[in-house]
Amino acid sequence: DTAVSQTPKYLVTQMGNDKSIKCEQNLGHDTMYWYKQDSKKFLKIMFSYNNKELIINETVPNRFSPKSPDKAHLNLHINSLELGDSAVYFCASSLSPTRYTGELFFGEGSRLTVL
Amino acid sequence: AQSVTQLDSHVSVSEGTPVLLRCNYSSSYSPSLFWYVQHPNKGLQLLLKYTSAATLVKGINGFEAEFKKSETSFHLTKPSAHMSDAAEYFCVVTLNTGNQFYFGTGTSLTVIP
Repeated sequence: DTAVSQTPKYLVTQMGNDKSIKCEQNLGHDTMYWYKQDSKKFLKIMFSYNNKELIINETVPNRFSPKSPDKAHLNLHINSLELGDSAVYFCASSLSPTRYTGELFFGEGSRLTVL
Repeated sequence: AQSVTQLDSHVSVSEGTPVLLRCNYSSSYSPSLFWYVQHPNKGLQLLLKYTSAATLVKGINGFEAEFKKSETSFHLTKPSAHMSDAAEYFCVVTLNTGNQFYFGTGTSLTVIP
């Protein structure tokens, strides 16, 4: 059983298109995240949700919109894709701060290529 | 404010020799510190963590790290490198009261046969 699963693993699309990445965790965690990893491997937090509530919203273009239908799912929708959006997007989860163990569990990543 | 600095972007070692990956942190409060490993085309996996218990922390695959408050360091070591250790390694700092994780820029470890 995969703890944090993301789909799709690969996306190749044209500039201007809209795409979504889905994430699901079966760990019973309260908090989920989206990270962006660029070509230099630098990881940047994008969003964090705790029990479906947005708690971290870093400086990210509003073309990126996260949606959390329940605490086990956090999807990422990207409108009007640009070349600079090409990256690997990682979903992660953890227990909430009130039950903190400090560990992030990561999905295997979704590699987005914008042509 | 919290931040973490990984002092080497690339480290190369020969198989069977020791590994040292360096990490310094800054934190206004008592931090929790982690090392994560990322193998090619994979997600990140926790190697070990320090959360204010023993300062010498043992992790998976023979790795360990020592929390040194006086030096604000949390260096990762392994006595003998294996080919399978070749990967990207990330040092991470966070507060016990929050869920904001601060990642270092990563150290790419190459193991030479």
